[in-house]
Amino acid sequence: NAGVTQTPKFQVLKTGQSMTLQCAQDMNHNSMYWYRQDPGMGLRLIYYSASEGTTDKGEVPNGYNVSRLNKREFSLRLESAAPSQTSVYFCASRLGQGVDSNQPQHFGDGTRLSIL
Amino acid sequence: EDKVVQSPLSLVVHEGDTVTLNCSYEVTNFRSLLWYKQEKKAPTFLFMLTSSGIEKKSGRLSSILDKKELFSILNITATQTGDSAVYLCAGVQGAQKLVFGQGTRLTINP
Repeated sequence: NAGVTQTPKFQVLKTGQSMTLQCAQDMNHNSMYWYRQDPGMGLRLIYYSASEGTTDKGEVPNGYNVSRLNKREFSLRLESAAPSQTSVYFCASRLGQGVDSNQPQHFGDGTRLSIL
Repeated sequence: EDKVVQSPLSLVVHEGDTVTLNCSYEVTNFRSLLWYKQEKKAPTFLFMLTSSGIEKKSGRLSSILDKKELFSILNITATQTGDSAVYLCAGVQGAQKLVFGQGTRLTINP
């Protein structure tokens, strides 16, 4: 059972380059999320998708775009990478959509991204 | 501003000790509180707490939520070296959003 799969695991970019981080889940979950994790700051929500066809901004969306390609896949794109986007990026998914569906989010193993 | 604060940020104990990790929160439209364990990679789910005063247990780990005082604790008894990890606390805001604390780095020495 793969759960949440992220690719690539590591990537080094130069400032100004573009990149798409891929995420796929095989748990038939409705909601998917992208976070970044920086030292001393915990995880911060970038974007989320409550269901196929919908996306919404989180706490730190600037510099990123997302696509909910289908129910399984949710990608994160950096159009013009900046050193401030050096971070570890986590994708997560959750079965429920609404307020009353009380299930936890399940995380992938992360993508370590360095911008030079 | 929504925030979750964990304490201590770092803790080093000996194997066999009991530890208590703290999490205080100020989260608008609060729904529940989650605890995760993060070793090298993905945070793995430990507990979801929705109601005050009801302890949740899983082996040597237990957790409880106080919605009046806006905090939660995670207890680990008879610690083992495999418990070494970063423990993350997160408040669930509304339908979708998690507000994470900074994490507590727990090191268990043999």
